[in-house]
Amino acid sequence: GESVGLHLPTLSVQEGDNSIINCAYSNSASDYFIWYKQESGKGPQFIIDIRSNMDKRQGQRVTVLLNKTVKHLSLQIAATQPGDSAVYFCAERPSYDKVIFGPGTSLSVIP
Amino acid sequence: GAGVSQSPRYKVAKRGQDVALRCDPISGHVSLFWYQQALGQGPEFLTYFQNEAQLDKSGLPSDRFFAERPEGSVSTLKIQRTQQEDSAVYLCASSLVGAGGNQPQHFGDGTRLSIL
Repeated sequence: GESVGLHLPTLSVQEGDNSIINCAYSNSASDYFIWYKQESGKGPQFIIDIRSNMDKRQGQRVTVLLNKTVKHLSLQIAATQPGDSAVYFCAERPSYDKVIFGPGTSLSVIP
Repeated sequence: GAGVSQSPRYKVAKRGQDVALRCDPISGHVSLFWYQQALGQGPEFLTYFQNEAQLDKSGLPSDRFFAERPEGSVSTLKIQRTQQEDSAVYLCASSLVGAGGNQPQHFGDGTRLSIL
């Protein structure tokens, strides 16, 4: 079936560097995309979202880029901090009642 | 607190027992979702409520799984005759229903279910 997937299962970055987490999606009907952060023992935490009529959206230290031509989504984290260490999920929402999550990327920040 | 609350946080049951997992959504959120998350995987959709109406239960793995939200607020996910493959974290999320439905879902910290 259609699914959302991530290119890199693990990512290690030096504290202070920028992080980029990539995601490929395959459901062309999706018009809304979300990035979640999940820490150990916690539920997914909303980071940022983007609608398909946009190609870029910025938040606090985070930027999401959407390339509909190649069905690619990325999350950029500026000045990565130890508190950013977690598993990051991209997700697509093909309908308002369902979110399809990718497998996740584990981000490890090296002090 | 103001977030989604789930209880219990941990549940251990013997194979064949019935379990009930509770979710208290954010006050005022009419949409409520249940997800199952296996170890090392992303959450997978189970079912969705709008107020007390269960509008989508396509993700429920079998007829042993049953969810309800009788008054449109608290929801319970029940699993009958549990099997070892039911071991997972069960996440609940709620959201406002907005135009176009593009509202983020807010998750609880889940119930970790272990079936022995």
